[in-house]
Amino acid sequence: KAGVTQTPRYLIKTRGQQVTLSCSPISGHRSVSWYQQTPGQGLQFLFEYFSETQRNKGNFPGRFSGRQFSNSRSEMNVSTLELGDSALYLCASSLDPAWEYFGPGTRLTVL
Amino acid sequence: KNQVEQSPQSLIILEGKNCTLQCNYTVSPFSNLRWYKQDTGRGPVSLTIMTFSENTKSNGRYTATLDADTKQSSLHITASQLSDSASYICVVTDSYGNNRLAFGKGNQVVVIP
Repeated sequence: KAGVTQTPRYLIKTRGQQVTLSCSPISGHRSVSWYQQTPGQGLQFLFEYFSETQRNKGNFPGRFSGRQFSNSRSEMNVSTLELGDSALYLCASSLDPAWEYFGPGTRLTVL
Repeated sequence: KNQVEQSPQSLIILEGKNCTLQCNYTVSPFSNLRWYKQDTGRGPVSLTIMTFSENTKSNGRYTATLDADTKQSSLHITASQLSDSASYICVVTDSYGNNRLAFGKGNQVVVIP
């Protein structure tokens, strides 16, 4: 069974731009969560989607948004990029909310 | 103050030796505690998950313990291998309706031959 895939793997943007990251969950998984990971803050929860509905949300500004499609694929969008948004963005899918499978992440660099 | 504190921040151990990583948390009310292993450049992989009523959970050479009274957990690695070199992250979920997550910053383990 294929694992969680994320595209693109690497991305370089400049301040003020916006970016869209994509996540394809494991087949049959309806829950998709997004995380931001930085050396200073570690892992932080962004949001979780289940059956196209946002079920949980972390403490991030409104510039961070996401959505989930009917095939469970998910996208997250960051608008008006700031230098501090440089991070590894991880997507995880699950059947059981407590047992998540992570993708390899998208490394975003904001210049 | 972070709700999940992990120690030591980093350690170096010889191949074949055992080591123990600590996770202290203040999250309340408590739902579950998970340990993840994250290899450099890859996403985290779940090792164990424990609820309030569980005090030990094993996954191969990894054994996690939980003391919900003192709000402490440990991850014990037995007979370490070079492939155990990774960051180990403790994550605690509360039992409020939205299941908020609190993350530790990880224990960086380096196993040397």
